[in-house]
Amino acid sequence: GQQVMQIPQYQHVQEGEDFTTYCNSSTTLSNIQWYKQRPGGHPVFLIQLVKSGEVKKQKRLTFQFGEAKKNSSLHITATQTTDVGTYFCARGSGNTGKLIFGQGTTLQVKP
Amino acid sequence: DSGVTQTPKHLITATGQRVTLRCSPRSGDLSVYWYQQSLDQGLQFLIQYYNGEERAKGNILERFSAQQFPDLHSELNLSSLELGDSALYFCASSVPTIRDTGELFFGEGSRLTVL
Repeated sequence: GQQVMQIPQYQHVQEGEDFTTYCNSSTTLSNIQWYKQRPGGHPVFLIQLVKSGEVKKQKRLTFQFGEAKKNSSLHITATQTTDVGTYFCARGSGNTGKLIFGQGTTLQVKP
Repeated sequence: DSGVTQTPKHLITATGQRVTLRCSPRSGDLSVYWYQQSLDQGLQFLIQYYNGEERAKGNILERFSAQQFPDLHSELNLSSLELGDSALYFCASSVPTIRDTGELFFGEGSRLTVL
């Protein structure tokens, strides 16, 4: 259906290690958005991917959209303690609303 | 500060009661979304309004209702509350485009505790 599956659910890394979270859909996605929620905070928009095979970078964060537009990934290089939080992907359904969020990947970074 | 204002920030009530959560979207945003986040859970889409009209519906219980007023603020009404309704309720707003929902700006949430 319209669900997006995120893996892993939790990830503990040592500061300086890399981190990747994956978002998968059984159906083709029109676009994918990524959000970050710090502990005790609210989700904050990171990026939107629209084109097949699209790759976007934000400093140490690299976002990819699969060629078939059924999966996406977020990769963080050399994690820092400020990267702690839950990362959500979300699929859109055109302009009719109903932005569906994945279950999220919670990242813990050990200093 | 996202520009989305939610009140109250915290609310404690008893089972069977009714509460109203309020949301003021960012200036100029016509769309308002409501999400429910239970402990260690993801964001469950409840409902979306666009310029006063219901646009999309998610897994919203019949005990819950919402509306968007002419000044674009929105209210989420939760009635006959049960323990399981305890959660963080987020409101978000956006300026949807023809192609997609656009970036969502979330408020800080209203934490509801039902005892």
